[in-house]
Amino acid sequence: EVQLLESGGGLVQPGGSLRLSCSSSGFTFGSFAMNWVRQAPGKGLEWVSSISRFGDGKFYADSVQGRFTISRDNSKQTLYLQMNSLRVEDTAIYHCAREYGDDGPFDYWGQGALVTVSS
Amino acid sequence: QAVLTQPSSLSASPGASASLTCTLRSGINVGTYSIHWYQQKPGSPPQYVLTYKSASDNQQGSGVPSRFSGSKDVSANAGILLISGLQSEDEADYYCMIWHRSTSVFGGGTKLTVL
Repeated sequence: EVQLLESGGGLVQPGGSLRLSCSSSGFTFGSFAMNWVRQAPGKGLEWVSSISRFGDGKFYADSVQGRFTISRDNSKQTLYLQMNSLRVEDTAIYHCAREYGDDGPFDYWGQGALVTVSS
Repeated sequence: QAVLTQPSSLSASPGASASLTCTLRSGINVGTYSIHWYQQKPGSPPQYVLTYKSASDNQQGSGVPSRFSGSKDVSANAGILLISGLQSEDEADYYCMIWHRSTSVFGGGTKLTVL
């Protein structure tokens, strides 16, 4: 059974940093591109970032470019999102999601980690 | 103008059909894109429903009933998620998504009410 479990969320002040992790099981992690998608309270889905199977391709939404860094450790079957210079508008539930194929759908999602940016 | 536009809400009766649209911005040709659809219920993460690119290039999410199907309206430059034989459990938010210039883009979502 495919499972994705996010951790590392919490309350942080504006300008602060946080690192999210997404541990995986039930599939060969290194065979799939991975993504982060967030959802602000009461709002829709917003794609944040993607990383290729071997980590050599990384892409970001304009809203987080230069502040967030995606990475992965295939030996640990874990995906990461380093978030710096956090803003109030970054407050959201952050989901990791497995990408099926190239530019494919997100076929499995984690439950999400809540990040709250507030003073 | 947003890349993907979805109506904010739609209501339909049990047993009826619901057609959820996802309109691509002018200049982005729906014919060249795979449209991915997701269902989200309150308090839960999104779930993958299906992908539609063409009649010969489409896939259903694991365990998704055949009542859910995809299509395109090329004249309207839109992707469509059709849900037939509506059930109360289909009440949810539905999001469309495409990959555009190496980034993923979601529509704003449609809240489907079954009443």
